[in-house]
Amino acid sequence: DTAVSQTPKYLVTQMGNDKSIKCEQNLGHDTMYWYKQDSKKFLKIMFSYNNKELIINETVPNRFSPKSPDKAHLNLHINSLELGDSAVYFCASSQDSIQPQHFGDGTRLSIL
Amino acid sequence: GQQLNQSPQSMFIQEGEDVSMNCTSSSIFNTWLWYKQDPGEGPVLLIALYKAGELTSNGRLTAQFGITRKDSFLNISASIPSDVGIYFCAGYNNDMRFGAGTRLTVKP
Repeated sequence: DTAVSQTPKYLVTQMGNDKSIKCEQNLGHDTMYWYKQDSKKFLKIMFSYNNKELIINETVPNRFSPKSPDKAHLNLHINSLELGDSAVYFCASSQDSIQPQHFGDGTRLSIL
Repeated sequence: GQQLNQSPQSMFIQEGEDVSMNCTSSSIFNTWLWYKQDPGEGPVLLIALYKAGELTSNGRLTAQFGITRKDSFLNISASIPSDVGIYFCAGYNNDMRFGAGTRLTVKP
């Protein structure tokens, strides 16, 4: 039933490790996004994909690499994790770039 | 980039009171959206506004798209405890930008 689902919900790992977060949407949307929400709850867009093609790539370190195997999935791989990467990462999707976005429940990433 | 200024940052109100929050920008937006985020969950869309001057209601919530296209407000009437959460405005013009959020606390 879940429209936008991301896994895992919690991720605790050591600095320097590589980790991935997965996102799937069953809404038939063409556009998917990754956002980072910091401790002050500010939501900042990281990436946007439309039909598996990268549309938006904000100023994000190249340690972050999104991958879209099909339009229903947008995964986020992070290399060499740093303390400042600790945040909640939200996946979202929309029918197209101007339609409202539907968000997943977030992945809480904590770097030790 | 386009900045959205959302205010107030936080509000502490008594159950039954009305609430008003707003977003302003120096840039024009084509769409204004209002989201609510509950603890441990992602933002959920409350109201979407697509035309300047548009006034839209969703139950006790009312939002307006400013005539200048540079602002929007959200009102909540007769607040209840479950209105607690963080409310985000978002504006779209080429991409979506979010305000910093208004944290609402409702005392029973």
